[in-house]
Amino acid sequence: QVQLQESGPGLVRPSQTLSLTCTVSGDSISSGSYYWTWIRQPAGRRLEWIGRFYTRGSTNYNPSLKSRVTISLDTSKNQFSLKLTSVTAADTAVYYCARDLSDWSNAFHIWGQGTMVTVSS
Amino acid sequence: DIVMTQSPLSLPVTPGEPASISCRSSQSLLHTNGYNYLHWYLQKPGQSPQLLIYLGSNRPSGVPDRFSGSGSGTDFTLKISRVAAEDVGVYYCMEALLIPYNFGQGTKLEIK
Repeated sequence: QVQLQESGPGLVRPSQTLSLTCTVSGDSISSGSYYWTWIRQPAGRRLEWIGRFYTRGSTNYNPSLKSRVTISLDTSKNQFSLKLTSVTAADTAVYYCARDLSDWSNAFHIWGQGTMVTVSS
Repeated sequence: DIVMTQSPLSLPVTPGEPASISCRSSQSLLHTNGYNYLHWYLQKPGQSPQLLIYLGSNRPSGVPDRFSGSGSGTDFTLKISRVAAEDVGVYYCMEALLIPYNFGQGTKLEIK
């Protein structure tokens, strides 16, 4: 059974870089054909898709964040990561990592428990 | 971007009664492969969202059959045949046709 677990700092200073890691257990991150995705949820607001990394090497990002976001895989650690630069208070949210059901469904079947990130000085 | 609009935003339901949530998209979600790229998620209190229905009408294994999805194009519906106490939470629809994938505002289901 595949499980995901987010980790990273809970507090980030404005203008700094937010860095989160999602550790995958129960399967190799490089096996199969899946999209490894980051999603966030500001308090009281709807979920927001951030971007994804395909096991075969491509990435897609939300255009609203594209200039600031990088998602990458570390197959040696069975992890994938999110980096978001130049953060502001608007980036305060619960951040989730997820994996889809299949690479053609774009349905997020497996989710991490989420990690709260606050941007504040 | 495709805009997703749900209604109602709040849904009080008596246990055992049916419930229905509507989701509309600003563009058709019908892919050339014949599937509607519309998914439903339930976020129970204090939990991560979970996939309830994918591609308009398909239930992942483990999702009770009291949940069903229907619709095509721009209009979709999630139905719960008989609401149970454990169904409380916020229901989201999500378009998965065009990047960036967008979610609806959420519908909060509560037990009367």
